[in-house]
Amino acid sequence: GAVVSQHPSWVICKSGTSVKIECRSLDFQATTMFWYRQFPKQSLMLMATSNEGSKATYEQGVEKDKFLINHASLTLSTLTVTSAHPEDSSFYICSARALGTGVRREYYEQYFGPGTRLTVT
Amino acid sequence: SQQGEEDPQALSIQEGENATMNCSYKTSINNLQWYRQNSGRGLVHLILIRSNEKEKHSGRLRVTLDTSKKSSSLLITASRAADTASYFCATGTGANSKLTFGKGITLSVRP
Repeated sequence: GAVVSQHPSWVICKSGTSVKIECRSLDFQATTMFWYRQFPKQSLMLMATSNEGSKATYEQGVEKDKFLINHASLTLSTLTVTSAHPEDSSFYICSARALGTGVRREYYEQYFGPGTRLTVT
Repeated sequence: SQQGEEDPQALSIQEGENATMNCSYKTSINNLQWYRQNSGRGLVHLILIRSNEKEKHSGRLRVTLDTSKKSSSLLITASRAADTASYFCATGTGANSKLTFGKGITLSVRP
């Protein structure tokens, strides 16, 4: 159980175009999803917290107009990289936090997707 | 900003040996978690330890937490080549809080 998927797993796009990445919780509902980016051989840096039905909360230094986040349902959050540039090339990982304490999972635990490799040429 | 700091940054051991990785953090926490990441893949949750716990076991994994020293250790016993991966500690400051990840440790287990 507790599977999170991401689509696509990798994408190559041209500079100036926009790319949408989907994050889905497959067998549980997630009121909160998180978006991270990871550069090679580095740690995960939290970009934003996505809450179902409300605006995302962005970390300091992350441009909300460039990284659009939509959490339209309890199982889906999307990250759109607008007007992508080569410096946006990175590994983007989402995670989802299970809803409440009524499930058999640790309340605090985040379940991570497999990541999306974005390359902007 | 990153809170967790793991050490060593890289560790190479022989299969069958034990691997010990340490994590230190700066602020008060509610819980600390360890994750594994294989190259180019997502993160796999290994174990969570709450701030009121001192030790936790899961299979070949043993995690300790010393809140007075703001440090945690992850011990992998009888390591296998398949344990080769990057390991991250992450701290949470509340039940609903986001996680802050350390820089990670690269573990190589030689067959």
